[in-house]
Amino acid sequence: ETGVTQSPTHLIKTRGQQVTLRCSSQSGHNTVSWYQQALGQGPQFIFQYYREEENGRGNFPPRFSGLQFPNYSSELNVNALELDDSALYLCASSLGAGPRVQFFGPGTRLTVL
Amino acid sequence: QQQVKQSPQSLIVQKGGISIINCAYENTAFDYFPWYQQFPGKGPALLIAIRPDVSEKKEGRFTISFNKSAKQFSLHIMDSQPGDSATYFCAASGQTGANNLFFGTGTRLTVIP
Repeated sequence: ETGVTQSPTHLIKTRGQQVTLRCSSQSGHNTVSWYQQALGQGPQFIFQYYREEENGRGNFPPRFSGLQFPNYSSELNVNALELDDSALYLCASSLGAGPRVQFFGPGTRLTVL
Repeated sequence: QQQVKQSPQSLIVQKGGISIINCAYENTAFDYFPWYQQFPGKGPALLIAIRPDVSEKKEGRFTISFNKSAKQFSLHIMDSQPGDSATYFCAASGQTGANNLFFGTGTRLTVIP
């Protein structure tokens, strides 16, 4: 059984650019949630995908968007990057809609210059 | 608005001592309270979790105490070890929307040998 994997590990972009982050869920898990963790803070919920549909969204603007694929992997896309988007982006997988037990990946560290 | 408040921000404990981290919440719809451990450069790892129908849960050296009437819960780490040095996050989720996790701001624990 493989755990949650994310790519890339690190990424550097400039303000105004677009970025795509990827996540492979843990084997058998069909739900993926994305979180943003700013330095020194707790993770903040961005959105969740279940059965390829968005199943809830936190307080993030529309330039944060996502996808889930039939194999349950997921992408997080951020357009028009801002300096404040610099953070660790975490993907968590779980089983079922509205799940509680979530297993996190190692994250992608995004730096926006 | 911080849904889950966590204290202290940092904690230094001698090896063999007891580490105590406290959290409080307001939303009575929350019904799942996990604790996560995070090492630098890694994603959060689920440590232990409790539901409000019990007042205490113990797993090895880690114990969650839960006070439903006060809307507070705490993590106790017995016989703290240098390897426990990490950042600990409490979280909560409930029967709403995506059941996403609301995290506290984290406690940086340092265990001195």
